[in-house]
Amino acid sequence: QQQVKQSPQSLIVQKGGISIINCAYENTAFDYFPWYQQFPGKGPALLIAIRPDVSEKKEGRFTISFNKSAKQFSLHIMDSQPGDSATYFCAARLKAAGNKLTFGGGTRVLVKP
Amino acid sequence: DVKVTQSSRYLVKRTGEKVFLECVQDMDHENMFWYRQDPGLGLRLIYFSYDVKMKEKGDIPEGYSVSREKKERFSLILESASTNQTSMYLCASILGPRGDGLNYGYTFGSGTRLTVV
Repeated sequence: QQQVKQSPQSLIVQKGGISIINCAYENTAFDYFPWYQQFPGKGPALLIAIRPDVSEKKEGRFTISFNKSAKQFSLHIMDSQPGDSATYFCAARLKAAGNKLTFGGGTRVLVKP
Repeated sequence: DVKVTQSSRYLVKRTGEKVFLECVQDMDHENMFWYRQDPGLGLRLIYFSYDVKMKEKGDIPEGYSVSREKKERFSLILESASTNQTSMYLCASILGPRGDGLNYGYTFGSGTRLTVV
């Protein structure tokens, strides 16, 4: 049972465009929602994160939008750059379960110059 | 710089072999995790450990076991490797209950790509 569903699986965007990745979750006990960025040959690295009591979090060109009632959250990459080409994972945490993270299926983003 | 080190980047093993994947962290983290990464399935949790000698099953523990004899080291064991265990294996660690900031996230190793033939 996949508790965090991520879409799309892949995304191609032109340089300067907006990349949008969506995630939906089922478990209302999740208390923390991070996004990870993974480059080829590397492990995922924390990009940005949000708690469910906040509707939006922005860091530079990266923004998380969070809709608690719909149990959905999304990552927006503004002014996408070729260096943003990577695989992105959304995740959700159950702190009560030892900080266990449940990950979405991943989105491979390709930014064309 | 904090690090999670996985002992091998690439491994090729034969069906039925016992396989050990090693992970070491130098951050005095309490919680450690083993995930496998497969295309379209994301990262799936195999096992995790709250502390030394403690372990909990994740979502897909079948065919795997773990060992945590020292705080810094968390080993994943494939008791009898099978071809459906061909995958990328990622180890991660996190501080534990003592830390809880918004940018408090896992530190991942670079992964071990295991091929079982």
